[in-house]
Amino acid sequence: DAGVTQSPTHLIKTRGQHVTLRCSPISGHKSVSWYQQVLGQGPQFIFQYYEKEERGRGNFPDRFSARQFPNYSSELNVNALLLGDSALYLCASSIGTSGLLWDTQYFGPGTRLTVL
Amino acid sequence: AQSVTQPDIHITVSEGASLELRCNYSYGATPYLFWYVQSPGQGLQLLLKYFSGDTLVQGIKGFEAEFKRSQSSFNLRKPSVHWSDAAEYFCAVGAPAGNAGNMLTFGGGTRLMVKP
Repeated sequence: DAGVTQSPTHLIKTRGQHVTLRCSPISGHKSVSWYQQVLGQGPQFIFQYYEKEERGRGNFPDRFSARQFPNYSSELNVNALLLGDSALYLCASSIGTSGLLWDTQYFGPGTRLTVL
Repeated sequence: AQSVTQPDIHITVSEGASLELRCNYSYGATPYLFWYVQSPGQGLQLLLKYFSGDTLVQGIKGFEAEFKRSQSSFNLRKPSVHWSDAAEYFCAVGAPAGNAGNMLTFGGGTRLMVKP
């Protein structure tokens, strides 16, 4: 079975631009979460979506937004890019059918975003 | 708010030697604890998890971890390290987030290097 897939693999943008990152969860998983991993640090939680509803949001500015589609895939959007947004963006999926709490999250390979 | 501390930023061990990576957490309720491994340029792979029950949990690749509530610790161990274990290791605690969601809070990671 395919794991979590993310696209694109790498992306280079300039300050002020907008970016869209995409994630497809493991087949049968209904929840998707997004994390930002700055070089040399642990991942930080951005969003969680389940059944197209936002279920959790981390401490990120409103420039960050996300949505989940009927097929459970998800997009993360970042507006007005700053140099500090350069990071590895990780998507994780979980089953969600038994309730979100304590679902195990499985991670994709990430999208490396560089902002110049 | 929950937090995770991994006191060792870098650890170097010889191939065949034993390994222990330290993890301390802060969380007001029963913790749900995870260890993930990240190879260079890759996403996170789940090694093991603790939800409840036996405080010694077994994972993949010969890893185990022991939950000690009195010490707020969840240290990762392996009896004999292989060169392929060189990677970055992250400890994480799961907690509720927002609208019935859940999130992972990660430590800063420990980079393991293996000497031949």
